[in-house]
Amino acid sequence: QVQLQESGPGRVKPSGTLSLTCDVFGDSITNTNWWSWVRQPPGKGLEWIAEIYHLDSSKYNPSLKSRVTISLDKSKNQFFLKLTSVTAADTALYYCASIGPGGEWGYWGQGMLVTVSS
Amino acid sequence: QTVVTQEPSLTVSPGGTVTLTCASSTGAVTSGYYPNWFQQKPGQAPRPLIYGTSNKHSWTPARFSGSLLGGKAALTLSGVQPEDEAEYYCLLNYGGAWVFGGGTKVTVL
Repeated sequence: QVQLQESGPGRVKPSGTLSLTCDVFGDSITNTNWWSWVRQPPGKGLEWIAEIYHLDSSKYNPSLKSRVTISLDKSKNQFFLKLTSVTAADTALYYCASIGPGGEWGYWGQGMLVTVSS
Repeated sequence: QTVVTQEPSLTVSPGGTVTLTCASSTGAVTSGYYPNWFQQKPGQAPRPLIYGTSNKHSWTPARFSGSLLGGKAALTLSGVQPEDEAEYYCLLNYGGAWVFGGGTKVTVL
């Protein structure tokens, strides 16, 4: 059974950097999957942020690309999200998820609420 | 900017059938957009239902089906159950970038 778990600070100050980790259990991060981040502001819809493949390939939402970095650590079976220059508009539930080689979205973490506030 | 459009809300009676659609601002949706569908209930993470237009996950109830309909991706719920009341999101791929639809709130009444 594959499980994903997000972790990181629940509060970030405006203009600061949001950093999140996704631990992957029950699967290797070096298999055929892509690994992705999605966010959901309170009461609103879903927004895709970025995805990464273990062979150093990544893709970004054009609207966030200038502020986002996605990376992974094969030795720890983790992948990461970094979002810079945050504002209140970045307050959201952040989810990590897996995407199969055929574009099939599969497993999701439970989500982590990050609040941007001083 | 690419926009994916879904019906904001739909109401269906228990045991009935309802079809949700997913349209792309770029034109007709095809299988090349790798349509995915998700169900989300309050306080829960999205649950994947359909991938690759019409493929079901092992956990997807048989009453859910995906298709292409009139240039859109579609999700049909047949024999709707009270527990199907939820928000449903579609997701399309645009050459590497994914775009979610705004979601459809399905009410079972």
